[in-house]
Amino acid sequence: KAGVTQTPRYLIKTRGQQVTLSCSPISGHRSVSWYQQTPGQGLQFLFEYFSETQRNKGNFPGRFSGRQFSNSRSEMNVSTLELGDSALYLCASSLTGMGEQYFGPGTRLTVT
Amino acid sequence: AQSVTQLDSHVSVSEGTPVLLRCNYSSSYSPSLFWYVQHPNKGLQLLLKYTSAATLVKGINGFEAEFKKSETSFHLTKPSAHMSDAAEYFCVVSEYAGGTSYGKLTFGQGTILTVHP
Repeated sequence: KAGVTQTPRYLIKTRGQQVTLSCSPISGHRSVSWYQQTPGQGLQFLFEYFSETQRNKGNFPGRFSGRQFSNSRSEMNVSTLELGDSALYLCASSLTGMGEQYFGPGTRLTVT
Repeated sequence: AQSVTQLDSHVSVSEGTPVLLRCNYSSSYSPSLFWYVQHPNKGLQLLLKYTSAATLVKGINGFEAEFKKSETSFHLTKPSAHMSDAAEYFCVVSEYAGGTSYGKLTFGQGTILTVHP
Protein backbone atom coordinates (compact mmCIF):
# COMPACT_ATOMS: atom_id res chain seq x y z
CA LYS A 1 0.00 0.00 0.00
CA ALA A 2 1.42 3.38 -0.94
CA GLY A 3 2.23 5.74 1.91
CA VAL A 4 1.36 9.38 2.41
CA THR A 5 2.81 11.60 -0.28
CA GLN A 6 3.45 15.32 -0.13
CA THR A 7 4.32 17.75 -2.89
CA PRO A 8 6.44 19.65 -3.37
CA ARG A 9 9.24 18.45 -1.12
CA TYR A 10 11.02 21.81 -1.06
CA LEU A 11 9.84 25.37 -1.59
CA ILE A 12 11.50 28.75 -1.41
CA LYS A 13 9.19 31.76 -1.24
CA THR A 14 9.50 35.48 -0.55
CA ARG A 15 7.81 37.33 2.30
CA GLY A 16 4.31 38.41 1.38
CA GLN A 17 3.74 35.64 -1.15
CA GLN A 18 1.34 32.76 -0.68
CA VAL A 19 1.97 29.04 -0.97
CA THR A 20 -0.08 25.87 -1.44
CA LEU A 21 1.08 22.47 -0.23
CA SER A 22 -0.49 19.18 -1.25
CA CYS A 23 -1.00 15.88 0.55
CA SER A 24 -2.30 12.54 -0.69
CA PRO A 25 -3.29 10.19 2.15
CA ILE A 26 -3.03 6.42 2.32
CA SER A 27 -5.78 4.82 0.27
CA GLY A 28 -8.90 4.40 2.38
CA HIS A 29 -7.89 6.98 4.99
CA ARG A 30 -10.44 9.77 5.30
CA SER A 31 -8.73 11.90 7.93
CA VAL A 32 -5.85 14.21 7.09
CA SER A 33 -4.02 16.27 9.70
CA TRP A 34 -1.39 18.94 9.16
CA TYR A 35 1.50 19.85 11.47
CA GLN A 36 4.21 22.50 11.49
CA GLN A 37 7.67 21.50 12.74
CA THR A 38 10.23 24.13 13.74
CA PRO A 39 13.36 23.89 15.91
CA GLY A 40 11.95 26.34 18.43
CA GLN A 41 8.33 25.23 18.75
CA GLY A 42 8.62 21.55 17.85
CA LEU A 43 5.65 19.84 16.25
CA GLN A 44 2.40 21.77 16.39
CA PHE A 45 -1.03 20.77 15.14
CA LEU A 46 -2.50 23.00 12.43
CA PHE A 47 -5.85 21.41 11.52
CA GLU A 48 -7.64 18.20 10.60
CA TYR A 49 -10.02 17.39 7.79
CA PHE A 50 -12.41 14.48 7.52
CA SER A 51 -14.78 13.92 4.62
CA GLU A 52 -14.09 17.43 3.27
CA THR A 53 -14.91 19.10 6.61
CA GLN A 54 -12.53 20.79 8.99
CA ARG A 55 -13.22 19.18 12.34
CA ASN A 56 -10.43 20.60 14.44
CA LYS A 57 -8.06 23.53 14.31
CA GLY A 58 -4.91 24.43 16.21
CA ASN A 59 -3.80 27.81 17.44
CA PHE A 60 -2.56 29.38 14.22
CA PRO A 61 -3.56 32.65 12.55
CA GLY A 62 -6.14 32.76 9.80
CA ARG A 63 -3.38 33.01 7.19
CA PHE A 64 -3.17 29.25 7.51
CA SER A 65 -6.04 27.47 5.81
CA GLY A 66 -6.77 24.15 4.23
CA ARG A 67 -9.26 22.07 2.37
CA GLN A 68 -9.98 18.47 1.53
CA PHE A 69 -11.34 17.04 -1.68
CA SER A 70 -13.77 14.19 -2.23
CA ASN A 71 -10.89 11.77 -2.86
CA SER A 72 -9.46 12.72 0.59
CA ARG A 73 -6.49 14.58 -0.88
CA SER A 74 -5.80 17.74 1.07
CA GLU A 75 -4.16 21.07 0.49
CA MET A 76 -2.99 23.70 2.91
CA ASN A 77 -2.46 27.32 2.01
CA VAL A 78 -0.44 29.98 3.74
CA SER A 79 -1.06 33.55 2.64
CA THR A 80 1.08 36.64 3.21
CA LEU A 81 4.11 34.59 4.16
CA GLU A 82 6.31 35.70 7.04
CA LEU A 83 9.90 34.70 7.82
CA GLY A 84 8.60 32.76 10.83
CA ASP A 85 6.58 30.48 8.56
CA SER A 86 9.80 28.76 7.50
CA ALA A 87 9.31 25.20 8.70
CA LEU A 88 8.81 21.58 7.78
CA TYR A 89 5.10 21.00 7.10
CA LEU A 90 3.99 17.46 7.74
CA CYS A 91 0.80 15.82 6.63
CA ALA A 92 -0.56 12.69 8.30
CA SER A 93 -3.46 10.41 7.52
CA SER A 94 -5.57 7.99 9.51
CA LEU A 95 -8.78 6.04 9.09
CA THR A 96 -10.93 8.06 11.47
CA GLY A 97 -8.85 10.85 12.97
CA MET A 98 -8.46 9.02 16.26
CA GLY A 99 -5.45 6.89 17.15
CA GLU A 100 -2.25 6.50 15.22
CA GLN A 101 -1.44 8.60 12.20
CA TYR A 102 0.87 7.91 9.29
CA PHE A 103 3.10 10.72 8.16
CA GLY A 104 4.37 11.89 4.82
CA PRO A 105 7.97 13.01 4.22
CA GLY A 106 7.05 16.67 4.64
CA THR A 107 7.44 19.87 2.64
CA ARG A 108 10.36 22.09 3.63
CA LEU A 109 9.27 25.71 3.22
CA THR A 110 11.85 28.47 3.34
CA VAL A 111 10.67 32.08 3.39
CA THR A 112 13.25 34.72 2.47
CA ALA B 1 -5.82 18.97 28.40
CA GLN B 2 -3.11 16.60 27.26
CA SER B 3 0.62 17.20 27.42
CA VAL B 4 3.86 15.27 27.08
CA THR B 5 7.25 15.82 28.68
CA GLN B 6 10.34 14.09 27.40
CA LEU B 7 12.82 14.21 30.21
CA ASP B 8 16.01 14.21 28.12
CA SER B 9 16.68 16.34 25.07
CA HIS B 10 19.79 14.29 24.19
CA VAL B 11 20.79 10.71 25.01
CA SER B 12 24.13 9.23 24.01
CA VAL B 13 24.90 5.49 24.14
CA SER B 14 27.48 3.08 22.78
CA GLU B 15 26.52 0.52 20.19
CA GLY B 16 25.36 -2.69 21.88
CA THR B 17 24.33 -1.00 25.15
CA PRO B 18 20.74 -0.48 26.35
CA VAL B 19 18.65 2.53 25.38
CA LEU B 20 16.22 4.32 27.70
CA LEU B 21 14.23 7.35 26.52
CA ARG B 22 11.96 8.80 29.19
CA CYS B 23 8.48 10.22 28.74
CA ASN B 24 5.83 11.49 31.17
CA TYR B 25 2.35 12.44 30.06
CA SER B 26 -0.66 14.27 31.35
CA SER B 27 -4.20 13.51 30.23
CA SER B 28 -7.68 14.12 31.55
CA TYR B 29 -8.98 11.03 29.78
CA SER B 30 -7.74 7.54 29.01
CA PRO B 31 -5.01 8.35 26.54
CA SER B 32 -3.48 6.57 23.62
CA LEU B 33 0.29 6.86 23.63
CA PHE B 34 2.80 6.48 20.82
CA TRP B 35 6.46 6.68 20.06
CA TYR B 36 7.54 8.01 16.68
CA VAL B 37 11.04 8.20 15.21
CA GLN B 38 12.34 10.79 12.77
CA HIS B 39 15.55 10.28 10.83
CA PRO B 40 17.22 13.38 9.36
CA ASN B 41 15.23 14.98 6.56
CA LYS B 42 12.57 12.30 6.80
CA GLY B 43 8.98 12.12 7.99
CA LEU B 44 7.84 10.47 11.20
CA GLN B 45 7.63 6.70 11.50
CA LEU B 46 5.42 4.97 14.07
CA LEU B 47 7.50 2.78 16.40
CA LEU B 48 4.79 1.50 18.71
CA LYS B 49 1.44 2.35 20.28
CA TYR B 50 -0.44 1.85 23.54
CA THR B 51 -4.22 1.85 23.38
CA SER B 52 -5.33 0.39 26.77
CA ALA B 53 -4.57 -3.25 26.07
CA ALA B 54 -1.31 -4.77 27.40
CA THR B 55 0.79 -2.29 29.36
CA LEU B 56 4.04 -3.60 27.84
CA VAL B 57 4.03 -2.75 24.18
CA LYS B 58 6.42 -4.13 21.60
CA GLY B 59 7.27 -2.18 18.50
CA ILE B 60 9.45 -2.37 15.46
CA ASN B 61 13.25 -2.73 15.44
CA GLY B 62 13.37 -4.26 18.93
CA PHE B 63 11.91 -1.27 20.78
CA GLU B 64 9.35 -1.61 23.54
CA ALA B 65 7.62 0.68 26.00
CA GLU B 66 5.79 0.18 29.28
CA PHE B 67 2.70 2.15 30.23
CA LYS B 68 2.66 2.95 33.96
CA LYS B 69 -0.53 4.77 34.92
CA SER B 70 0.52 5.34 38.54
CA GLU B 71 3.67 7.12 37.35
CA THR B 72 2.07 8.65 34.22
CA SER B 73 5.08 7.39 32.30
CA PHE B 74 5.64 5.69 28.96
CA HIS B 75 9.40 5.11 28.67
CA LEU B 76 10.94 3.65 25.52
CA THR B 77 13.62 0.98 25.79
CA LYS B 78 15.77 -1.22 23.62
CA PRO B 79 18.16 -3.86 24.98
CA SER B 80 20.98 -3.23 22.51
CA ALA B 81 21.51 -0.08 20.46
CA HIS B 82 22.46 -0.18 16.81
CA MET B 83 24.09 2.58 14.81
CA SER B 84 20.95 2.81 12.67
CA ASP B 85 18.92 3.78 15.78
CA ALA B 86 20.50 7.24 15.78
CA ALA B 87 17.58 9.62 15.20
CA GLU B 88 15.12 11.87 17.02
CA TYR B 89 12.37 10.19 19.00
CA PHE B 90 9.01 11.68 19.91
CA CYS B 91 6.62 10.61 22.64
CA VAL B 92 3.06 11.42 21.55
CA VAL B 93 -0.34 11.44 23.26
CA SER B 94 -3.84 11.33 21.84
CA GLU B 95 -7.02 11.46 23.85
CA TYR B 96 -10.65 11.39 22.90
CA ALA B 97 -12.25 14.53 24.33
CA GLY B 98 -14.86 15.34 21.76
CA GLY B 99 -14.43 17.71 18.86
CA THR B 100 -11.26 19.36 20.09
CA SER B 101 -9.35 16.11 19.85
CA TYR B 102 -10.13 14.97 16.32
CA GLY B 103 -6.97 14.37 14.33
CA LYS B 104 -4.75 15.99 16.93
CA LEU B 105 -1.60 14.39 18.26
CA THR B 106 0.32 16.20 20.99
CA PHE B 107 4.08 15.78 20.73
CA GLY B 108 6.85 15.95 23.26
CA GLN B 109 9.86 18.10 22.43
CA GLY B 110 11.85 15.14 21.19
CA THR B 111 14.95 13.24 22.31
CA ILE B 112 17.95 13.05 20.02
CA LEU B 113 19.61 9.64 20.32
CA THR B 114 23.28 9.42 19.41
CA VAL B 115 24.90 5.99 19.07
CA HIS B 116 28.69 5.77 19.30
CA PRO B 117 30.61 2.89 17.69
